[in-house]
Order: sequence, then C-alpha cells, then structure tokens
Amino acid sequence: DTAVSQTPKYLVTQMGNDKSIKCEQNLGHDTMYWYKQDSKKFLKIMFSYNNKELIINETVPNRFSPKSPDKAHLNLHINSLELGDSAVYFCASSGDRNYGYTFGSGTRLTVV
Amino acid sequence: SQKIEQNSEALNIQEGKTATLTCNYTNYSPAYLQWYRQDPGRGPVFLLLIRENEKEKRKERLKVTFDTTLKQSLFHITASQPADSATYLCALSTWAGNQFYFGTGTSLTVIP
Repeated sequence: DTAVSQTPKYLVTQMGNDKSIKCEQNLGHDTMYWYKQDSKKFLKIMFSYNNKELIINETVPNRFSPKSPDKAHLNLHINSLELGDSAVYFCASSGDRNYGYTFGSGTRLTVV
Repeated sequence: SQKIEQNSEALNIQEGKTATLTCNYTNYSPAYLQWYRQDPGRGPVFLLLIRENEKEKRKERLKVTFDTTLKQSLFHITASQPADSATYLCALSTWAGNQFYFGTGTSLTVIP
C-alpha cells in the first residue's frame, strides 16, 4: 500500500489553464503539506494543513488554492497557470515532528 | 535573511570511504533537524532526526551531529557504497511550527 499517493504523476498543460493535483495519505497523520521543487532541486514549502485547517501559507500566489476535504486528503488547485509554475510538486504528511515526513512520489507539472 | 546551505552541490567519493555532508543555517533557531535522501524521480525519504539538545545520532552506517553554536549539522556515511549515491537534503524546524524548511541539497556519487 502506498503511504502518500499523488495523482497525476505527470501533467503537461498550456498557460492560462486551471489544473488540480490530488494527494491522499493512509498513515493516519494529522498534518499534510505541499512542497514545490524547482529545477535546482530546492524544496520550498507552500502550504501546511493540520486536521483540515490551513496552518501555513508561505507567500504563495493566490492562484494556488489547497483544499482538504478530510485529514487524509490535501488537493492543490492551480488557476491561470504560468510558465514559472513548472516544477515538481510534492505532497507530504507527518504525525509529529519527532518523526520525519512521508513524501509522495511527486507530480511533474510542465506549463507550455 | 534565513538560509539553509549545504556545503556543495556535488560530492564524489571512493567506495569504502566516509562521506561527510555539511548543513549550515543562519537566522534560524532550530528545534529539530532532519536528513533525507532523494533519488532521481522520487520523493525525499526520511533518514534521521536530531533535536537541538542532542549532539549526535546514529543509525547503522549513518551518523548526524548537531552543533547549535556553529549553526551546523554534519551527516556522515561510513563505508560508503555505490548504492548510497543520491541527493541528500537537510531540513530544520523551529519551535514555532511543525513545518520543515529544506536546504539546497548535496548530490553524492560513490565511485566503485
């Protein structure tokens, strides 16, 4: 069983489109995150949700909107996609910070 | 400004030697520091966590040290093997929240 699963794995889309990435975890963790990894492999936190409530929004454009229907799911919706949004997006979850995050396998978004 | 820097982008080492990776931070007061491994096309995988009041942690061939005076963590892989080749990321969190902030990563290649 995959602990943190993201779909789709690859997403190619045109500028201006709206797209969503889905994430689900079956670990029973309370906190979920979205990270963006750029072409230089730098991982930057975007959002943190704890029990369906937004905890952190790290200066992310409001074109990005996370949605957490329950504590096992955290989806990312992106409006009006721009070229600079091309990156790999990782979902992660954690029980508490005495333990590490569990990451999904990533979604490679390419905006053309 | 806050920064988490890892010593070099790439490190090559001969099989059997000890690999030492460095993580330096500025303008953070970390409560926890973690190390992750990331393989191409995959999400980061948690390796070790060390708390601010701990000097050293070990797990099999891995050892992490944490010096809050120097604002530095060292990550050692002893008896390195080609299978240890990957990108290694450090990440820290402060007492203020559960989210972890990642360093720039070091790509390690172990040469047979």
